[in-house]
Amino acid sequence: DSGVTQTPKHLITATGQRVTLRCSPRSGDLSVYWYQQSLDQGLQFLIQYYNGEERAKGNILERFSAQQFPDLHSELNLSSLELGDSALYFCASSVGGFSTGELFFGEGSRLTVL
Amino acid sequence: GIQVEQSPPDLILQEGANSTLRCNFSDSVNNLQWFHQNPWGQLINLFYIPSGTKQNGRLSATTVATERYSLLYISSSQTTDSGVYFCAVVGYGGATNKLIFGTGTLLAVQP
Repeated sequence: DSGVTQTPKHLITATGQRVTLRCSPRSGDLSVYWYQQSLDQGLQFLIQYYNGEERAKGNILERFSAQQFPDLHSELNLSSLELGDSALYFCASSVGGFSTGELFFGEGSRLTVL
Repeated sequence: GIQVEQSPPDLILQEGANSTLRCNFSDSVNNLQWFHQNPWGQLINLFYIPSGTKQNGRLSATTVATERYSLLYISSSQTTDSGVYFCAVVGYGGATNKLIFGTGTLLAVQP
């Protein structure tokens, strides 16, 4: 158990819908990261928050947004869903937000868009 | 940005065999981690190893940062070792420690 909690574990929805994925980092960790893993794209970095502020941005679509709340949990919002958004979405956390430090991953949220 | 290449892409072993997985990266790194993704999709931390050598049971890893590669050794493999092994790095000098993942090595250990 990494200590990073993600909910829901599985989610099935329809095209055009909106979903919210939730992540609670390990106790004491200030950084949260979101990754997308699809069959054809591998593990892709989406976005990082450090202590409530956006720290780094990857190839995150405009239809996707995220935030980190004062209690440090984070949410990833996916809207106007398309079939291609079906993927495993991981959240990770680390103590710091800068160049060093180990990342720990949650078990992922598997999204299926029908 | 930094590129991460892993080899071999696929590997089939008989139970009890040893193996070496390689990770090459294109630039200096501040951080390097090895992960095992099991058949249920969970990403499990194996090593945090920006340089040097570490061992944990049947697994060990070595990173030679000056030559831009890392090796993961699996000895006396077991069927539970099956899955995908990822190497991931943080490029040197950046203001973030986001990990960049390689494409992974798919390992199948047969009984």
